[in-house]
Amino acid sequence: KAGVTQTPRYLIKTRGQQVTLSCSPISGHRSVSWYQQTPGQGLQFLFEYFSETQRNKGNFPGRFSGRQFSNSRSEMNVSTLELGDSALYLCASSLNPAGTYNEQFFGPGTRLTVL
Amino acid sequence: DQQVKQNSPSLSVQEGRISILNCDYTNSMFDYFLWYKKYPAEGPTFLISISSIKDKNEDGRFTVFLNKSAKHLSLHIVPSQPGDSAVYFCAASAPDDKIIFGKGTRLHILP
Repeated sequence: KAGVTQTPRYLIKTRGQQVTLSCSPISGHRSVSWYQQTPGQGLQFLFEYFSETQRNKGNFPGRFSGRQFSNSRSEMNVSTLELGDSALYLCASSLNPAGTYNEQFFGPGTRLTVL
Repeated sequence: DQQVKQNSPSLSVQEGRISILNCDYTNSMFDYFLWYKKYPAEGPTFLISISSIKDKNEDGRFTVFLNKSAKHLSLHIVPSQPGDSAVYFCAASAPDDKIIFGKGTRLHILP
């Protein structure tokens, strides 16, 4: 069974630009969550989608948005990039929604650098 | 506010000895706890979990202990091996809610 895939793996953008990251979950998984990892901050929750609906959202500004398609693939968009958005963005999928006693499986992440 | 805290940023343990990683939480609604391991340039991988109805769960060399009254959990690795050198994240969730992660503890296994 293929794991969670994320594209692109690396991305360099400049301040003010916008970016779209993609995540393909494990086949059959309907929940996709996004996290931001920065040095010393651990994994900070961005949002979770289940069956194309946003279930939960973290404390990030409205510049961060996402969506999920009918095949469970998910995209995350960040508009008007700031230097502080430089981070590793991780996507995780699970069979059932988060908070229902099932573990999440993570992709390798997309390393975003904002110059 | 940090609901899941890993107060030790790093830990060094001799190969073959026991590694004990600690985690504290503040939200009494958390009922499911997980540990993940992360190598550089890779996503976290799931290690072991425990629900709040248990106080111990074991899987091979990994054992997680949960002390609900103290809002504390720990991960024991016995015996520690070189491949265990990684960053370990503690995570928790309340029913139907997001999973919240701690900041991680870097474990170094010394030869």
